[in-house]
Amino acid sequence: AQRVTQPEKLLSVFKGAPVELKCNYSYSGSPELFWYVQYSRQRLQLLLRHISRESIKGFTADLNKGETSFHLKKPFAQEEDSAMYYCALQNTGGFKTIFGAGTRLFVKA
Amino acid sequence: AAGVIQSPRHLIKEKRETATLKCYPIPRHDTVYWYQQGPGQDPQFLISFYEKMQSDKGSIPDRFSAQQFSDYHSELNMSSLELGDSALYFCASSPSRGLAGASGANVLTFGAGSRLTVL
Repeated sequence: AQRVTQPEKLLSVFKGAPVELKCNYSYSGSPELFWYVQYSRQRLQLLLRHISRESIKGFTADLNKGETSFHLKKPFAQEEDSAMYYCALQNTGGFKTIFGAGTRLFVKA
Repeated sequence: AAGVIQSPRHLIKEKRETATLKCYPIPRHDTVYWYQQGPGQDPQFLISFYEKMQSDKGSIPDRFSAQQFSDYHSELNMSSLELGDSALYFCASSPSRGLAGASGANVLTFGAGSRLTVL
C-alpha cells in the first residue's frame, strides 16, 4: 500500500537557521515524489519534484530509495518560507497522488 | 492565466441532503483529481478521471459519485450527507499526457477548494 509519513506536524526555526522537513514513504513500485506547499490564504501548489533535481526557493530534496525518504532541506530559512508543506507520492501510471499529513513550518524573525 | 476553478466556494447543507461540487480544469488538462480535507487532516484522495473515464479510486464513500464531462469539467455528487462530510474539497488537474509526457502529466494544479458544511 502507498503511504507517506511526515513525522513532524510543526517545525519552528529562527530566520537564517537550516531547516529539514522529513518525509518517508512506502510503495512497492517506483514512485514519483513531490513536495507541495500552501502559503497562508493561497492554494496548494507544487514546490518541487524529485525527477527535476532542481532547487526551488533555495529548497532541495533528494530521493533516498534505501531509506525510502524524501526530506526537504534549506540551508537558511526565511520568514517567507512559513507555510504548510506536504510530501506527496504518485503511483506508477500516475492517476493517484497521496499526501502526507503535512508539516507546518514557522520561521521566526 | 486561468487556474483550476471550483464552485461553489462555500456550501451549507443539512444532514441527508445532496450537494454537487464542480471543477473546471486548466485548458488542455485532461486529468482531474478530487480530494477531501477534513479539519486538521491531510488531503485524502477520493477519485480521478482521465479522458472522461474514471482512472483511479481512493477512499470515496458509496454515497458519493463523480464524473468528467466532454469539456473535461468534473462534478462530485454527494448524497445523504452526514456531519462527517464537512470538509474542504479540492479539485486538481494535470496536463494532457500527449503534450506533457508521462512525467509532466504528474504535476497537479489545485483549485481553491469548496468548503462544505453539513449541519
